[in-house]
Amino acid sequence: DIVMTQSPDSLAVSLGERATINCKASQSILYSSNNKNYLTWYQQKPGQPPKLLIYWTSVRESGVPDRFSGSGSETDFTLTISSLQAEDVAVYYCLQYYTPPYTFGQGTKLEIK
Amino acid sequence: EVQLVQSGAEVKKPGESLKISCKGSGYIFTTSWIGWVRQMPGKGLEWMGVIYPGDSDTKYSPSFQGQVIFSVDKSINTAYVQWSSLKASDTAMYYCARLLGGDYGDLPDYWGQGTLVTVSS
Repeated sequence: DIVMTQSPDSLAVSLGERATINCKASQSILYSSNNKNYLTWYQQKPGQPPKLLIYWTSVRESGVPDRFSGSGSETDFTLTISSLQAEDVAVYYCLQYYTPPYTFGQGTKLEIK
Repeated sequence: EVQLVQSGAEVKKPGESLKISCKGSGYIFTTSWIGWVRQMPGKGLEWMGVIYPGDSDTKYSPSFQGQVIFSVDKSINTAYVQWSSLKASDTAMYYCARLLGGDYGDLPDYWGQGTLVTVSS
């Protein structure tokens, strides 16, 4: 199985500042036939299901604010929130859907400093 | 509008059986895989496996193989996960998700609201 490791486990950032969350895969999740990394990011707020933020590493889902961005390739990926807003407090998960069994990172809890 | 609506919360005793559901609407149910995800209290998301409603093909994650059974009823656009003998460790929130498919691969885009299963004596 591909192991997804997120860092840090928790993060406190001031309002308006940048937040960066990392996700590392134990093997490449780059699909060579289309040059896409099968990596997605979800946001989960308490009592809610996960919400799709970004897929294929860097494509924002419709309606997701442009302060959210994703980058990376093969095994190393990053979710960046350029200017933290109060409503961004949540747990963030990466997921690889390159090969079954699909696997999540352990989650990163983002709070306001 | 794509929607996945899951059945309500359940409270069961150890050893009891259970079947929870996930009803899809707003898309062609039989042409997209459905994934199941477990979230134990205060913990992260775990991928349980997938089922294809078109032909009931299933793929279980190793940790869940033999522990649960996925099924579908195409006539009512509903997917299920069932347990034959619940354990306290099955206490969790369970989510279903549609996998977008096609050029997007198995991207889970729409999620159900979750079903909370509590197993306690």
